[in-house]
Amino acid sequence: AQTVTQSQPEMSVQEAETVTLSCTYDTSESDYYLFWYKQPPSRQMILVIRQEAYKQQNATENRFSVNFQKAAKSFSLKISDSQLGDAAMYFCAYRTINAGGTSYGKLTFGQGTILTVHP
Amino acid sequence: NAGVTQTPKFQVLKTGQSMTLQCAQDMNHEYMSWYRQDPGMGLRLIHYSVGAGITDQGEVPNGYNVSRSTTEDFPLRLLSAAPSQTSVYFCASSRSGDRGYTFGSGTRLTVV
Repeated sequence: AQTVTQSQPEMSVQEAETVTLSCTYDTSESDYYLFWYKQPPSRQMILVIRQEAYKQQNATENRFSVNFQKAAKSFSLKISDSQLGDAAMYFCAYRTINAGGTSYGKLTFGQGTILTVHP
Repeated sequence: NAGVTQTPKFQVLKTGQSMTLQCAQDMNHEYMSWYRQDPGMGLRLIHYSVGAGITDQGEVPNGYNVSRSTTEDFPLRLLSAAPSQTSVYFCASSRSGDRGYTFGSGTRLTVV
């Protein structure tokens, strides 16, 4: 079974600065997807960014980018030019894509990191 | 599109009562899942489905039942509520393996 670990329960950053959230995972699969989700105080889960394991190029979405190290099974999220609206809980998630069986498409989450942004 | 709709948003149950959390999606997604969120533990998978008539257990299935008779609906049944089931419950759906899941707004359940 896949496991996802976020070792930073809390992080903080000054507005306009850069912060990196860490995520590691354990899997025996070669193909999979990785995601970062944001959960603001409203409780809504919002997809921030995704990465396909077979792509070496790191995904980028505006101020959000990832550092994907497949061999190290590491998937960190970098937030540049942090804004007050970035304050939230961030979850790293793994999705299996191996065909066959009902585990196809199953999404596994890490424990989450609370990000505080100071003005 | 309404996306993923969960009802109710809040619920208080007494120990031993049963209830059904409703989840519906209008995006024709094959995959649907139920998660519970507890402090410090992230989201843990309760049950999931890869299509109508096909369900499987997740990480924490005990005390919960599901069925998927249609593509749109995936209700979660609590058979006999216990205080340990106090949590926030999320339903989510996805179209295919390379997509992230779309989440409902959650149900905060308190069992007293």
